[in-house]
Amino acid sequence: GQQVMQIPQYQHVQEGEDFTTYCNSSTTLSNIQWYKQRPGGHPVFLIQLVKSGEVKKQKRLTFQFGEAKKNSSLHITATQTTDVGTYFCAGPGGYQKVTFGTGTKLQVIP
Amino acid sequence: DGGITQSPKYLFRKEGQNVTLSCEQNLNHDAMYWYRQDPGQGLRLIYYSQIVNDFQKGDIAKGYSVSREKKESFPLTVTSAQKNPTAFYLCASSTDRGVRTDTQYFGPGTRLTVL
Repeated sequence: GQQVMQIPQYQHVQEGEDFTTYCNSSTTLSNIQWYKQRPGGHPVFLIQLVKSGEVKKQKRLTFQFGEAKKNSSLHITATQTTDVGTYFCAGPGGYQKVTFGTGTKLQVIP
Repeated sequence: DGGITQSPKYLFRKEGQNVTLSCEQNLNHDAMYWYRQDPGQGLRLIYYSQIVNDFQKGDIAKGYSVSREKKESFPLTVTSAQKNPTAFYLCASSTDRGVRTDTQYFGPGTRLTVL
């Protein structure tokens, strides 16, 4: 079955530094989604990418979908303590199913 | 206020007991899902339902059961057959538009601990 891997598993950054998490799929994806889960909370949808090479921005967050549609990245510029949490990518896992990546846990040191 | 509610927030169970986790949504979504999350890990799909009175097994369905008698409700029963049930359980829903993957809206979750 489809696997969606994320690296790194954990990342500690000093506040103000940049952060990037990478998502890699074993198969071509029709689309990819990104979610954020705050500590003790539940995942919240951030964005969906559909087109090959697509880049979308949300304030300090930049999302990119690879040309081959098998990988994606999330880049945060100048991290803040409010960015703390686990970031998941998710791809189609069959009819109306979603396969979540393993997640990257971000810790921001003030 | 539209959304998904899960209850209880915390649940303690003795070994050998069945427990039922509640999930209710008022988003008028057709599809509902149950995920299990273990510490430091991702989300694993237990069961999902695309329509009332129909549901399918996910990747880790053994030891769990569900029902979908109403569009708004998708309760999950953790049975004694589930040997390691301590985890964080998340319910989600989405609109069902066929092949396209829709946004998943999650409830606040239930933390189950087996004593």
